Amino acid sequence: DQQVKQNSPSLSVQEGRISILNCDYTNSMFDYFLWYKKYPAEGPTFLISISSIKDKNEDGRFTVFLNKSAKHLSLHIVPSQPGDSAVYFCAADEGGKLIFGQGTELSVKP
Amino acid sequence: AAGVIQSPRHLIKEKRETATLKCYPIPRHDTVYWYQQGPGQDPQFLISFYEKMQSDKGSIPDRFSAQQFSDYHSELNMSSLELGDSALYFCASSLKGQGFYNEQFFGPGTRLTVL
Repeated sequence: DQQVKQNSPSLSVQEGRISILNCDYTNSMFDYFLWYKKYPAEGPTFLISISSIKDKNEDGRFTVFLNKSAKHLSLHIVPSQPGDSAVYFCAADEGGKLIFGQGTELSVKP
Repeated sequence: AAGVIQSPRHLIKEKRETATLKCYPIPRHDTVYWYQQGPGQDPQFLISFYEKMQSDKGSIPDRFSAQQFSDYHSELNMSSLELGDSALYFCASSLKGQGFYNEQFFGPGTRLTVL
């Protein structure tokens, strides 16, 4: 049973435009969420996180939005750059261990 | 800045052999986590250690064991290897004592291939 879901396996965006990656979760007890970026043959790299006491967290070009009532979060990348092309994983913290979504492969085209 | 180090980066074993994967956390981090990522799958939590004590256990087979040593490095021991154990194994570390929420920082992974 997938508790964290990323329903879009891939996303293609033009350079300079906004990339929006979505993530849904089923467990209302989750209260801390993280986004990781992963290149092939490398480990996941931490991008940004948000706790359930907030509905938005911003760090440079990256903003994460959390809608607790809908059990949905999204990662916005503005403006998108070709170097952002990677697989993005959404994860929920369950008492210290991370529950990952399936990942979304973002391709930013010049 | 120092990152999480994993060794070896690649490992090829035969069925029924044993394997040992090593992880060196970021200096001063007190918690180590192990994850397994099968082909085309998301990383799955295996086990974690806080201050050298096992703190949580996920879907780790009984054939696997792990420990964290006094210098905080951790080893994942895998015995009676099966073809299905072929995967990327990631180690992550965090500084749990810093606060309730802590980002986990991942190593580059060990790619295990069982033939």
